[in-house]
Amino acid sequence: GQNIDQPTEMTATEGAIVQINCTYQTSGFNGLFWYQQHAGEAPTFLSYNVLDGLEEKGRFSSFLSRSKGYSYLLLKELQMKDSASYLCAVKNAGNMLTFGGGTRLMVKP
Amino acid sequence: DAGVIQSPRHEVTEMGQEVTLRCKPISGHDYLFWYRQTMMRGLELLIYFNNNVPIDDSGMPEDRFSAKMPNASFSTLKIQPSEPRDSAVYFCASSFYNQPQHFGDGTRLSIL
Repeated sequence: GQNIDQPTEMTATEGAIVQINCTYQTSGFNGLFWYQQHAGEAPTFLSYNVLDGLEEKGRFSSFLSRSKGYSYLLLKELQMKDSASYLCAVKNAGNMLTFGGGTRLMVKP
Repeated sequence: DAGVIQSPRHEVTEMGQEVTLRCKPISGHDYLFWYRQTMMRGLELLIYFNNNVPIDDSGMPEDRFSAKMPNASFSTLKIQPSEPRDSAVYFCASSFYNQPQHFGDGTRLSIL
């Protein structure tokens, strides 16, 4: 089975940097995804890691260590619109995604 | 480009009634997923299809739930009979091969 852990809530200040961690134990691994979900809206794709290392995409970066079962999402130059839930999801060999409970990020002025 | 289209956006009905949720995936996508999201349980995969064939339905909570995909551009999730504990947001998502999944706007279902 899959077990995915991430913090429930985080608070950060506008303009700052925040790191959202995700740890996982899986019976099969075929990549790790990060999704953003604003309240009342659908999840939207942010990033994908299948190999170890850092993937950078603008203000957002995602890191993966497969040996440690660990990933993080790094958000730089935080903006108020970044207030949302961030979902970590692991894909197994069968193309199924298992989602963590999500981290609700609140950005304050 | 049209994204994943779900209908209805909102559904309120009384327990015992049949509920049918509809989804049109992105054209050309060969995978379709049905999820349920609640505060208590988060986002859970119910069932997914590949080329219109159900591959894994282990997430379907019980026999009251059924899903079909008669063709590449349409899928339904049916609950019969519905119960108050089925109240949730139901998302449909689609993807091409192993590319990221794209989600529809969801159906907010309330069973009274």
